[in-house]
Amino acid sequence: GAVVSQHPSWVICKSGTSVKIECRSLDFQATTMFWYRQFPKQSLMLMATSNEGSKATYEQGVEKDKFLINHASLTLSTLTVTSAHPEDSSFYICSARWLASGSYEQYFGPGTRLTVT
Amino acid sequence: AQSVTQPDIHITVSEGASLELRCNYSYGATPYLFWYVQSPGQGLQLLLKYFSGDTLVQGIKGFEAEFKRSQSSFNLRKPSVHWSDAAEYFCAVGSNDMRFGAGTRLTVKP
Repeated sequence: GAVVSQHPSWVICKSGTSVKIECRSLDFQATTMFWYRQFPKQSLMLMATSNEGSKATYEQGVEKDKFLINHASLTLSTLTVTSAHPEDSSFYICSARWLASGSYEQYFGPGTRLTVT
Repeated sequence: AQSVTQPDIHITVSEGASLELRCNYSYGATPYLFWYVQSPGQGLQLLLKYFSGDTLVQGIKGFEAEFKRSQSSFNLRKPSVHWSDAAEYFCAVGSNDMRFGAGTRLTVKP
């Protein structure tokens, strides 16, 4: 149980275009979803936290107009990287939490590798 | 503010040897502590977690960790390392939001 999927697993896009990454909780309802980015050989950095039906809360330094997050349902959150540039190339990982479980544990997706050319 | 420190960037151990990965945290209240493992190009897999209760926590794959409040530590241990344990290990702390340490890369020598 507690499986989180991401789609696509990898994507290459041209500079200036936008790309959407989906994060789904497959067997539970995710009251909260999180988006992280990870540069090569570095740790995960929290980008934003989103609660279903609410606007996402972005971490300091993360451009909300560039990284659009939508959490329209209890099983789906999307991250759209708008007007992507090569410096946005990174590994993006989502996680989901089900607070009704009484646990603060986050279940992580397998990640999406974005390469901007 | 909560933070996590993993002092060791890279550790090499021989297969069959014991392992300890260090983690120190800074947190204002009772911490929720986690250890995750990440293989190259993959997501994170939870090894174990501590919320409360017994300070020695057993996890998957033969790992365990001990919460020591006096030392603000949550070190990960394994008595006998297998070659398949080679990966990146992250300690994390948090409840509503999670903060990760920088990670420790484990190399296992045959």
